[in-house]
Amino acid sequence: DVKVTQSSRYLVKRTGEKVFLECVQDMDHENMFWYRQDPGLGLRLIYFSYDVKMKEKGDIPEGYSVSREKKERFSLILESASTNQTSMYLCASSPGGTVVYGYTFGSGTRLTVV
Amino acid sequence: DAKTTQPTSMDCAEGRAANLPCNHSTISGNEYVYWYRQIHSQGPQYIIHGLKNNETNEMASLIITEDRKSSTLILPHATLRDTAVYYCIVRVPSNNAGNMLTFGGGTRLMVKP
Repeated sequence: DVKVTQSSRYLVKRTGEKVFLECVQDMDHENMFWYRQDPGLGLRLIYFSYDVKMKEKGDIPEGYSVSREKKERFSLILESASTNQTSMYLCASSPGGTVVYGYTFGSGTRLTVV
Repeated sequence: DAKTTQPTSMDCAEGRAANLPCNHSTISGNEYVYWYRQIHSQGPQYIIHGLKNNETNEMASLIITEDRKSSTLILPHATLRDTAVYYCIVRVPSNNAGNMLTFGGGTRLMVKP
């Protein structure tokens, strides 16, 4: 069964901490994405990557960075966590190229910054 | 990507068919219709997609009108586990850099015993 695995389901961090959210996929997908989901705001794209070491900003990249050193792993980094980054974070992947496929999402990480 | 309009919420009796509508009147010729759902506290799950023909898989059926301005997702025998938010998305399958999804508000389906 193909999967996108996020390392933590729940995290509680303190304001100012550096936070790493890890995502691993086993489908050999080229594209990987980080979204955050907040009530009333839907899913908003933070960053995406279409190849190893490549990254592109999404709609709300401020306060975040990403790393993709290996094809299967895409990390989201909160450089200095703040309370307004309390959210559900979702990782997704999809094949590259002009193909008609759905995305595969992870189960999400619910991050609380106190 | 074309905009979609879905009802905010719907109820369905367990064992009955759930029919979820989606309007996408500005859809362009090369845009596909995708459906996802999100069960509470989980990530979205891909259900089905189509271009102009009706589609069926093990999860659902997708009916697209001839003018492609609207579609209906059908869950033939809804169960309590189908309670979720259902998202209808229209987009062009594109190359790597543009291969993103935009989720709107979706329809909250409540399946009742």
